[in-house]
Amino acid sequence: DAKTTQPPSMDCAEGRAANLPCNHSTISGNEYVYWYRQIHSQGPQYIIHGLKNNETNEMASLIITEDRKSSTLILPHATLRDTAVYYCIVSGTYKYIFGTGTRLKVLA
Amino acid sequence: DVKVTQSSRYLVKRTGEKVFLECVQDMDHENMFWYRQDPGLGLRLIYFSYDVKMKEKGDIPEGYSVSREKKERFSLILESASTNQTSMYLCASSFDDSGNTIYFGEGSWLTVV
Repeated sequence: DAKTTQPPSMDCAEGRAANLPCNHSTISGNEYVYWYRQIHSQGPQYIIHGLKNNETNEMASLIITEDRKSSTLILPHATLRDTAVYYCIVSGTYKYIFGTGTRLKVLA
Repeated sequence: DVKVTQSSRYLVKRTGEKVFLECVQDMDHENMFWYRQDPGLGLRLIYFSYDVKMKEKGDIPEGYSVSREKKERFSLILESASTNQTSMYLCASSFDDSGNTIYFGEGSWLTVV
């Protein structure tokens, strides 16, 4: 499975868009990009995933570059409840490799 | 909504005890997983099951066993608990197709004293 690189931490003002980057330069053709988040003491929560095209759901948007070597998770209007650790995972199988993620802090 | 339910949120067990962690999912998923999460080490896969009575070892199976007698239920067993098994344990499930999403339970905090 491809390795991902994420910044260790980010701050975002409440109500603004939070843009979380992820590099996955060794991604292969059949591997999806998944995003999860984990709020302290809880299990990881699925956010969104994609293969090639940009994706949007009620929680977030996922922008994948044309060469698929990087992606950005966008939370359009961040709230205090979005404070969490965000994990970017690249996988083509059941085996997900979780890195250390980005600790997003939404500031009032 | 997908529901993955872990039977115990917090447990304290003694060294040498046999420990059962139970997990149930209500989405008819083929795949079920057990992970443990430790500070600085992230999530590590212990065991995986892709069908009833089928199992595969993950990255850290030593000291653990699993049981899947019914599709919706996946149990993690610590045959003889040790202090280095103090951790948060996460159960998860998914459909068996490409691009499948893994859904996690809330986690079970196990302390072995």
